[in-house]
Amino acid sequence: GAGVSQSPSNKVTEKGKDVELRCDPISGHTALYWYRQSLGQGLEFLIYFQGNSAPDKSGLPSDRFSAERTGGSVSTLTIQRTQQEDSAVYLCASSLALVGYEQFFGPGTRLTVL
Amino acid sequence: QQQVKQSPQSLIVQKGGISIINCAYENTAFDYFPWYQQFPGKGPALLIAIRPDVSEKKEGRFTISFNKSAKQFSLHIMDSQPGDSATYFCAASNWEYGNKLVFGAGTILRVKS
Repeated sequence: GAGVSQSPSNKVTEKGKDVELRCDPISGHTALYWYRQSLGQGLEFLIYFQGNSAPDKSGLPSDRFSAERTGGSVSTLTIQRTQQEDSAVYLCASSLALVGYEQFFGPGTRLTVL
Repeated sequence: QQQVKQSPQSLIVQKGGISIINCAYENTAFDYFPWYQQFPGKGPALLIAIRPDVSEKKEGRFTISFNKSAKQFSLHIMDSQPGDSATYFCAASNWEYGNKLVFGAGTILRVKS
């Protein structure tokens, strides 16, 4: 079966522009996670969804970042007014449920803010 | 208290040797400790994981050793192969809090043939 897919694989944008990153989890997976991987900060948690609700948004770095999930499936991470420090690889992971199941990661979206 | 400290940053091992990567944590609420392997351009992939009620878990050439009192855990790769060359991340989470992973900084492993 298909794994977690993310699009685009690469995104180059100019400072101040908005970007949307998409994650398609494994079919049937109810839990979905966003992480960010950067040279300076390593791998860090951003937000997770159980179904369509996001109980924990504590990792979002600023109010420029938001995420939503619709139909218990696809999720979109939106970054408004991008800054150079937003440049990183954004990783999405999904798991069958919150408890007791491993997280499967997608290949990531590499975001470069010029 | 949310940090997971990982060492070494990089490691070079001869083919057939043992690779050892160590991690330490502070938050005693963590109850799940996975190790992930990441190749360039790919997302992390789960290698092996352990819960704190056991002290060791082995899967093939990969073993996790867990010391609850010391709040430390380690990954041992036996008979290391060039194909094992990758970045390894330890992580920790608490299933009660959504299982969000807190990662170590990563170890770049190179196995020389």
